[in-house]
Amino acid sequence: DVKVTQSSRYLVKRTGEKVFLECVQDMDHENMFWYRQDPGLGLRLIYFSYDVKMKEKGDIPEGYSVSREKKERFSLILESASTNQTSMYLCASSFRLPGLAGDGRGTQYFGPGTRLLVL
Amino acid sequence: ILNVEQSPQSLHVQEGDSTNFTCSFPSSNFYALHWYRWETAKSPEALFVMTLNGDEKKKGRISATLNTKEGYSYLYIKGSQPEDSATYLCAFIQGNDMRFGAGTRLTVKP
Repeated sequence: DVKVTQSSRYLVKRTGEKVFLECVQDMDHENMFWYRQDPGLGLRLIYFSYDVKMKEKGDIPEGYSVSREKKERFSLILESASTNQTSMYLCASSFRLPGLAGDGRGTQYFGPGTRLLVL
Repeated sequence: ILNVEQSPQSLHVQEGDSTNFTCSFPSSNFYALHWYRWETAKSPEALFVMTLNGDEKKKGRISATLNTKEGYSYLYIKGSQPEDSATYLCAFIQGNDMRFGAGTRLTVKP
C-alpha cells in the first residue's frame, strides 16, 4: 500500500514565524504535490515536484517555497506565516504526472493533511 | 482557467437511500477525470480514473459514468450506508493540469 505521511496533523503558529511542513512517501514516486484546501474551494495546487531538486509553481505559490532534496521527501515552507495561510494542507504523490497517464498511473496518493492555524 | 463544478455542495440521505451527484467540467481537450473519496480525519483515496466518453466504472455499490461531449460525470451510490459518509472530489485533467472541484459532502444517517 502506498503511504504518504505528513509531519503534523495540527499546527498552531504565530504570524511571521517560519513554518515547515514535511511530507514523506514510500512508493518511490517521481512526483509530489502540495495543495491547500479551504471551505467551498477545490484543492488548490501550491507547488509540485517531478524529480529531486526540481519544482514547479502551481496556482497559488505566493508566500510559499518548497524543497525536494530526496526523492521520498517534499517540504513546504511558509517563509513568514500570515493569517491568510490558515488552511488544511495536503501532500500527494503519484507515479506519473496527471497528463501523462490516463490509465491510473497519474492517480494521486494523499497524506492525511495538516491543519495549520496562524494566529 | 479550468472550471470544475460539483453539485450539490452537500447532501444528507437516510441509510438505504440511493443517491447521485455531479461533476461538471470543460468539454474541450478532455484527458481524464478522477474521483476521490475523502473521509473525515483520513486521506483522500482514489475511486475511479475515467478516460473515455461513455465510460462506466463500478466499485461495490459505487459507480460512475462519464460524458466528455457534454462535460459531466455522475457518481452514484446505491443503498447508501453510514460508512459512505465522506466528501467526494472529482479532478479534471487537461494536459498536465489537474483541477479539483470543491467536493460534495455526503452524510448518511442511520
